[in-house]
Amino acid sequence: RKEVEQDPGPFNVPEGATVAFNCTYSNSASQSFFWYRQDCRKEPKLLMSVYSSGNEDGRFTAQLNRASQYISLLIRDSKLSDSATYLCVAPIIQGAQKLVFGQGTRLTINP
Amino acid sequence: GAVVSQHPSRVICKSGTSVKIECRSLDFQATTMFWYRQFPKQSLMLMATSNEGSKATYEQGVEKDKFLINHASLTLSTLTVTSAHPEDSSFYICSATLRQGADTQYFGPGTRLTVL
Repeated sequence: RKEVEQDPGPFNVPEGATVAFNCTYSNSASQSFFWYRQDCRKEPKLLMSVYSSGNEDGRFTAQLNRASQYISLLIRDSKLSDSATYLCVAPIIQGAQKLVFGQGTRLTINP
Repeated sequence: GAVVSQHPSRVICKSGTSVKIECRSLDFQATTMFWYRQFPKQSLMLMATSNEGSKATYEQGVEKDKFLINHASLTLSTLTVTSAHPEDSSFYICSATLRQGADTQYFGPGTRLTVL
């Protein structure tokens, strides 16, 4: 099983729609998780951190389910500018600072 | 805050040459920096962890003699790809954390290496 596994996508949704991504992780000891977005040929940029059951920031909501070892990202009222690849990230070992990236989910918002 | 820069942003070189990539933390001191590689349509893969004043820690399968890392100061880490070959063509990205033990990493803009 991969350490971090994501929906492969791609997701193509109309502007204004709600879209959700799931991500599973294998290390049950992981305490914190991250969602990054990466635009084409650019570096990843931190979108949200998830330390407890969830986090909400405007149109974005991240939820953590420790029992099932998955993290989700929900985007409401999607905008054209949300088109990007979304990367689910988890530490390999808590405190060791080493991050494992999921393969990413490509999202395209259509006008 | 937490700005990381990389130089150069793009480099094209001939096979067999060496290429040096710089990673700088502009507004903070970074005792630890990380080097990643990303091939097209793939995710980021950690290559090595760079610690200021000590040897880098390489991930399994990454040749330390081919990818030389020097972290001589708290704001600069360099990655040198020695005797580059076309299969080394990739997007190289560095990152840094604000403090020891922090999980959040801030990424540089990346360096696109093309080896002819």
